[in-house]
Amino acid sequence: NAGVTQTPKFQVLKTGQSMTLQCAQDMNHEYMSWYRQDPGMGLRLIHYSVGAGITDQGEVPNGYNVSRSTTEDFPLRLLSAAPSQTSVYFCASRVQTATEAFFGQGTRLTVV
Amino acid sequence: KNEVEQSPQNLTAQEGEFITINCSYSVGISALHWLQQHPGGGIVSLFMLSSGKKKHGRLIATINIQEKHSSLHITASHPRDSAVYICAVRNSSGSARQLTFGSGTQLTVLP
Repeated sequence: NAGVTQTPKFQVLKTGQSMTLQCAQDMNHEYMSWYRQDPGMGLRLIHYSVGAGITDQGEVPNGYNVSRSTTEDFPLRLLSAAPSQTSVYFCASRVQTATEAFFGQGTRLTVV
Repeated sequence: KNEVEQSPQNLTAQEGEFITINCSYSVGISALHWLQQHPGGGIVSLFMLSSGKKKHGRLIATINIQEKHSSLHITASHPRDSAVYICAVRNSSGSARQLTFGSGTQLTVLP
């Protein structure tokens, strides 16, 4: 049981490049979410999903896309990276009706 | 004003000291979480509580719903407790699926 697995751990992108941050969980959790963490600020919700085929925007969705084709996977796509997207990204999952969240190890992204 | 405020932002203690980290929030909540983030970056859930007090080893979390305040206590602190401690609340209104996070308290315990 690996929990929540994020890849990659580190990434450097040039402005305008695209990439996908991967997130997978093996706990059969319905609810998955992506957060970004910036210095001096709390984690902010980017997008979330309440089940396969269902996604919705969070607090800071601009510049990011998500999809949820399976219960296990919830990738986050940056279509055209900008320096403002330099951050640490966390994926989290939980059972739909419970409230304890399980977090991945994070992806540190730098856009130059 | 942020919905979730933590204090202090930074805390340095000597090994063995009793530590308190505070969290105040301004909205009605259905649950409050305390999380720990180690220097490697991973985030781990410590407690989830909606009333009263919970204890796990040397960690104690309390919440006062009327005062909209929670505290995380660490007894007999140890250098391995050095981490960022994050408070998060789940609003009782609006989307019940979302958490609002404080900005964290950086704790350093010196040997």
